[in-house]
Amino acid sequence: EIVMTQSPATLSVSPGDRATLSCRASQSVNTNLAWYQQKPGQAPRLLIYGASRRATDIPARFSGSGSGTEFTLTISSLQSVDFAVYYCQHYNNWPPITFGQGTRLEIK
Amino acid sequence: EVQLVESGGGLVQPGGSLRLSCAASGNSFSSYGMNWVRQAPGRGLEWVSTISGSGGSTYYADSVKGRFIISRDNSKNTVYLQMYSLRVEDTAVYHCASVPGTMIFDNWGQGTLVTVSS
Repeated sequence: EIVMTQSPATLSVSPGDRATLSCRASQSVNTNLAWYQQKPGQAPRLLIYGASRRATDIPARFSGSGSGTEFTLTISSLQSVDFAVYYCQHYNNWPPITFGQGTRLEIK
Repeated sequence: EVQLVESGGGLVQPGGSLRLSCAASGNSFSSYGMNWVRQAPGRGLEWVSTISGSGGSTYYADSVKGRFIISRDNSKNTVYLQMYSLRVEDTAVYHCASVPGTMIFDNWGQGTLVTVSS
């Protein structure tokens, strides 16, 4: 099983600033990596797939990078609607599909 | 875009059974793989099960293998999760999610809460 580890667990950032979230895989997943955003009481929403491709209707301030075992989600200028929990997920060699434990992005 | 609506959650005693349903709107339901992903209260996301578009292939997390069965009825645009021998640790919101081909969950339902408690 591929273990996905996200850091930090909680990130405090001011609106307008940049946020950088990390995700590490226990073995290479190539670029088979997705990022999701989840707000309280809501279903997750797909942000990024293929490590760097934005999903439909996702704003350009969201970007993904990385390959192999190290990945980053960057939000370039935080807006109030961006404060949420973010999960990474691999889909390289499955089953099982596994998610990271999440990073909570909170207002500083 | 596929709209997904889950139903069938509720309170069940340990050892009990429950069947969840996920109804999909839109066309081409049979072209999507369908999945169940759960989230225990205050916890992260856990993949549970996947079924191919035709229903011919199914996959399970080790934590539910042998206890849960995923199935689909393409004539009704519905996917099911039959859960047996439920445990307290199965308590979670169960989301269904579609995948377009590769295992990228591009559409999610709001989820249905399953509570396993005596």
